[in-house]
Amino acid sequence: AQSVTQLGSHVSVSEGALVLLRCNYSSSVPPYLFWYVQYPNQGLQLLLKYTTGATLVKGINGFEAEFKKSETSFHLTKPSAHMSDAAEYFCAVSDRGYGGSQGNLIFGKGTKLSVKP
Amino acid sequence: SAVISQKPSRDICQRGTSLTIQCQVDSQVTMMFWYRQQPGQSLTLIATANQGSEATYESGFVIDKFPISRPNLTFSTLTVSNMSPEDSSIYLCSVGVASNQPQHFGDGTRLSIL
Repeated sequence: AQSVTQLGSHVSVSEGALVLLRCNYSSSVPPYLFWYVQYPNQGLQLLLKYTTGATLVKGINGFEAEFKKSETSFHLTKPSAHMSDAAEYFCAVSDRGYGGSQGNLIFGKGTKLSVKP
Repeated sequence: SAVISQKPSRDICQRGTSLTIQCQVDSQVTMMFWYRQQPGQSLTLIATANQGSEATYESGFVIDKFPISRPNLTFSTLTVSNMSPEDSSIYLCSVGVASNQPQHFGDGTRLSIL
């Protein structure tokens, strides 16, 4: 069965600094991976996804993530943090029918990003 | 992407009562999902609701506690029955097309039980 581990429940960076949010996955089949962001009192918004093809994927708001099969990782990065990036970020892997409802998402525990002025 | 509307956006309920949450989508979708997000926690799938069939519940969730309806391809409801303080959570619906496509989420229903 698939699983997701996000290292660091809380990450704090200064405005303008690099953002790095870590995500490792476990999957017995080639994974479909997603990053979502949740702002206070809102639902989840898709940042980016990896299914097949290019391993470096670009998303909205200047975020990107790189799929590294050898490291089973899908870390999220942004070169320069902005105050508006403060939110909670969730990494997720799609259940492809193994051990759960096909197509559902298995989420990591989330990483809360704080941006200091 | 689909626009998803959830109602109510928040509610405060008394112990022992039930609340029905509605999820309306602006286009026809095959898969609809209901998630629970307990305070400070990640999302956990409650059930998958596909039109024309019974909802499929995940381990730890039962139909008597969380009955779900899916009358058509644009609408679903989740009822939280006989509520207790432990049911205080955010409940989110999402829609999906296929496992290699992202799900899109509503803004959630923030539920507090007194």
